[in-house]
Amino acid sequence: NAGVTQTPKFQVLKTGQSMTLQCAQDMNHNSMYWYRQDPGMGLRLIYYSASEGTTDKGEVPNGYNVSRLNKREFSLRLESAAPSQTSVYFCASGGPRRENTEAFFGQGTRLTVV
Amino acid sequence: KNQVEQSPQSLIILEGKNCTLQCNYTVSPFSNLRWYKQDTGRGPVSLTIMTFSENTKSNGRYTATLDADTKQSSLHITASQLSDSASYICVVIGFMDSNYQLIWGAGTKLIIKP
Repeated sequence: NAGVTQTPKFQVLKTGQSMTLQCAQDMNHNSMYWYRQDPGMGLRLIYYSASEGTTDKGEVPNGYNVSRLNKREFSLRLESAAPSQTSVYFCASGGPRRENTEAFFGQGTRLTVV
Repeated sequence: KNQVEQSPQSLIILEGKNCTLQCNYTVSPFSNLRWYKQDTGRGPVSLTIMTFSENTKSNGRYTATLDADTKQSSLHITASQLSDSASYICVVIGFMDSNYQLIWGAGTKLIIKP
């Protein structure tokens, strides 16, 4: 049972490049989330998906797009990367958005934009 | 404004000693409070979930307390081990706009020295 799997684990981009972060969960959860974590700050919600086919903006959505491809997969896309998007990105599934249950996190993607 | 503040920001203790981490919050309406452990380079992992009516909850050497009147929580670690070195994050779940929302603290970085 893999839980939540994120790829890649590390990435370096040049300003203006695009990339997609992939996330898959095998726990049959309806809810999935993308967070970013910056030094000295709490996790901030970028986008979430309460169920397959729906997505909603979180606290810091600017510069990002998401796709809930199916129940298992939720991807995050940076169309034109900026240095301010240098961060560690976490995908999570389950959790309390609607169900007040536990959330499970992937191992994170460390992204550097130069 | 809904906020979660943790103290201290960082803490160094010797292996075998006890320590207590603090969490103050202003989230309202309150649903529950969670403590997560985040190892370096990994995603957060849940330690405890506390509801409004619970004052104390233990998970092995970890004991969390909650005072809903003063809006304070603490995480006590007994007989610390080197593997306890991690960031400990307090998360308060509020119910707002027909959704549960997570308000994340910035975490306390705990270092256990041999």
